[in-house]
Amino acid sequence: DIVMTQSPDSLAVSLGERATINCKSSQSVLYSSNNKNYLAWYQQKPGQPPKLLIYWASTRESGVPDRFSGSGSGTDFTLTISSLQAEDVAVYYCQQYYSTPLFTFGPGTKVDIK
Amino acid sequence: QVQLVESGGGVVQPGGSLRLSCAASGFTFSSYGMHWVRQAPGKGLEWVAFIRYDGSNKYYADSVKGRFTISRDNSKNTLYLQMNSLRAEDTAVYYCAKGLGTMDLWGQGTLVTVSS
Repeated sequence: DIVMTQSPDSLAVSLGERATINCKSSQSVLYSSNNKNYLAWYQQKPGQPPKLLIYWASTRESGVPDRFSGSGSGTDFTLTISSLQAEDVAVYYCQQYYSTPLFTFGPGTKVDIK
Repeated sequence: QVQLVESGGGVVQPGGSLRLSCAASGFTFSSYGMHWVRQAPGKGLEWVAFIRYDGSNKYYADSVKGRFTISRDNSKNTLYLQMNSLRAEDTAVYYCAKGLGTMDLWGQGTLVTVSS
């Protein structure tokens, strides 16, 4: 099974500042035949279901603000919020879908306002 | 509008059974794979089960294999999760979600509490 880890567990960032969340997979999620990383990011605000933000490691879902960006390849990935807004307070999860139809999420990173 | 609505949660004793439903609307349900994902109180997300668009294949997390059964009725645009031999550690909010690899539409969830 592919195990996902995230760091840090939580972070507090000032409004307008950058937030960076890391995700690591226990094995590569890069599929060599199409050169795609099978890695997604989700945002879960308090009391709400998760929302898909990014897939293929760096493609924003329709309607997601461009302050959210994803990067990385293989086993190491990053979600960056370039200028934190109050509405971005949430828990962020990475998820691998390389081992489809078996899926695993990271443990989550909580983002708060400093 | 495009939405998923779960129902069927509640309080059940250890060893008991429960069936969850997820009603889909606003999209062609029969064209998409569907998932169940759960979240224990104060914890992270755990993928539970997946069913292909036509119900031909079903997959489960090891933690529920042999106890839970995912199914769908495409004529009723509804996804199901039959949960048997429930344990305290199955207590969670259960979400249905649409998608194959990624999950691009989620319901609001239904709470299952396993307690005596």
